[in-house]
Amino acid sequence: QVQLQQSGPELVKPGASVRISCKASGYTFTSYYIHWVKQRPGQGLEWIGWIYPGNVNTKYNEKFKGKATLTADKSSSTAYMQLSSLTSEDSAVYFCARDWDYWGQGTTLTVSS
Amino acid sequence: QIVLTQSPAIMSASPGEKVTITCSASSSVSYMHWFQQKPGTSPKLWIYSTSNLASGVPARFSGSGSGTSYSLTISRMEAEDAATYYCQQRSSYPWTFGGGTKLEIK
Repeated sequence: QVQLQQSGPELVKPGASVRISCKASGYTFTSYYIHWVKQRPGQGLEWIGWIYPGNVNTKYNEKFKGKATLTADKSSSTAYMQLSSLTSEDSAVYFCARDWDYWGQGTTLTVSS
Repeated sequence: QIVLTQSPAIMSASPGEKVTITCSASSSVSYMHWFQQKPGTSPKLWIYSTSNLASGVPARFSGSGSGTSYSLTISRMEAEDAATYYCQQRSSYPWTFGGGTKLEIK
């Protein structure tokens, strides 16, 4: 069965960077897009970007260019999102999703000193 | 970017009642997609390409619309339908979501 397993909650200091992982199983990793979505507490959904692991092409929401970097490791069927220069505005739950039909459980990021 | 405005933002419905949630786009889009999210869980794809039910979605749900106006309808509200519903457009980058409609059971 298709599963996306995300890394655990993160507590990081302002100015730092963090990498969130999304490990895929149950399907051919290189054949489907992985999308990343941000959800601030009590707020709606925001699309960050996608990566196609087959050719590692990426597309970003302009708002997240310079903030998020999407990568993928075919050998481990894992997609990654690195967030840099973190501020309190980056505190949120981050989701990965395979072509929108399967979602990870979400990773809670808290940016606090 | 295309702004999606959902209405109402919050609503409640009695069991058996018909429910309609609307999503208005600031520019014309080819299709609309809908997600359901319950508290503390990941969103689920609910309706794709305007009117197609995702796997496992009850037949009491339907979607329709075109251009700048789309809707999600529940023919008869059930308790398990209480959730927040989001519309999404993927016709133009950046892909955007509506602000959500929180649907409660009376």
